[in-house]
Amino acid sequence: DTGVSQDPRHKITKRGQNVTFRCDPISEHNRLYWYRQTLGQGPEFLTYFQNEAQLEKSRLLSDRFSAERPKGSFSTLEIQRTEQGDSAMYLCASSSGGLAGLARTQYFGPGTRLLVL
Amino acid sequence: ELKVEQNPLFLSMQEGKNYTIYCNYSTTSDRLYWYRQDPGKSLESLFVLLSNGAVKQEGRLMASLDTKARLSTLHITAAVHDLSATYFCAGGYKLSFGAGTTVTVRA
Repeated sequence: DTGVSQDPRHKITKRGQNVTFRCDPISEHNRLYWYRQTLGQGPEFLTYFQNEAQLEKSRLLSDRFSAERPKGSFSTLEIQRTEQGDSAMYLCASSSGGLAGLARTQYFGPGTRLLVL
Repeated sequence: ELKVEQNPLFLSMQEGKNYTIYCNYSTTSDRLYWYRQDPGKSLESLFVLLSNGAVKQEGRLMASLDTKARLSTLHITAAVHDLSATYFCAGGYKLSFGAGTTVTVRA
């Protein structure tokens, strides 16, 4: 069994361009999370899915950000009209967990490092 | 929203000595996690602590949880170079992380 995978691992883009990242969770995990980490800080929660439903979004997630998990498997995170402040590591994590139950340990992918010039 | 504070933020350890990292959190959390992150890498799960008084140990690392004090500790025994990394504690279902403790182990 492979762990959480993310693609691409690195992305350099110019300000104003759109970028899309992909995350493939551990296959039996129904919860998928996106976090953002800037240098010297802990990860910050962006959003999470239970199967295909997006259950919560952070206030950090501006209108330029959108995330999907169309079939409850992989997820994409798109940033439109990128800004230099979007430069960060974008981490995806997955866990098991039920609607009324508690989430289990989150396992993180290798991250996508974004640099906006 | 859960707030997590770690201290110290930086810890220079001497090989062979013992040290403790402290993690305070603001509101009730059903579980508390410890993660390790090497430079430029992702996060590796170390421990999950589920209940008051829980203690987990793996090698030279031991984590404990006091839910009444809202405090978790990560104790490092006889530090070795391989333990150099940043350690995060986190709680909540949508993990709220502390700022991390960057550990450097010197000879």
